[in-house]
Amino acid sequence: AQSVTQPDIHITVSEGASLELRCNYSYGATPYLFWYVQSPGQGLQLLLKYFSGDTLVQGIKGFEAEFKRSQSSFNLRKPSVHWSDAAEYFCAVGGRNAGNMLTFGGGTRLMVKP
Amino acid sequence: DTAVSQTPKYLVTQMGNDKSIKCEQNLGHDTMYWYKQDSKKFLKIMFSYNNKELIINETVPNRFSPKSPDKAHLNLHINSLELGDSAVYFCASSWEPDTQYFGPGTRLTVL
Repeated sequence: AQSVTQPDIHITVSEGASLELRCNYSYGATPYLFWYVQSPGQGLQLLLKYFSGDTLVQGIKGFEAEFKRSQSSFNLRKPSVHWSDAAEYFCAVGGRNAGNMLTFGGGTRLMVKP
Repeated sequence: DTAVSQTPKYLVTQMGNDKSIKCEQNLGHDTMYWYKQDSKKFLKIMFSYNNKELIINETVPNRFSPKSPDKAHLNLHINSLELGDSAVYFCASSWEPDTQYFGPGTRLTVL
């Protein structure tokens, strides 16, 4: 069965500092990997996705993520965090499974200090 | 020009009632989904549906049923509501197996 682990429940960084959010997945075939962001009271917005090809993918709002098959990881990074980045971040895995269902990690809440 | 919309945004009801949440997408996608987000923010797939088949997550009680009047709509019906059904429900759509686009969510509170 597929699964996603986000080891960090909460992370606090200072504005302007770099950020890395961890994501580890388990999937029996080639995974499709996603990062979504959820602001308070809002829906989920796609930040970036990996299907195939270049393992370093660029997303919106200056985010990037690197797919490392050997480590079963898909960590999200940003070189300089802005106060508006404070939100909940979800990693998800899917693929050509039945129903195209996504499995989400438990989320990481990012707080940004001024 | 909202891509995926849900109504209502908030729903407060008594235990035992039956309620529905509506979802519409204007993206022309062929697959729609329902997810449940619990109080700890954990997101779990409930259903995946396209015009060919309905895939049901085995953990979903049969009190929950999706109904699709057409390709652009997937409504969620819940019978005999229980306290544990309180959550935020998200609708999503995609071209299978591509990126899923989410609606704004419906916060259901069962009293």
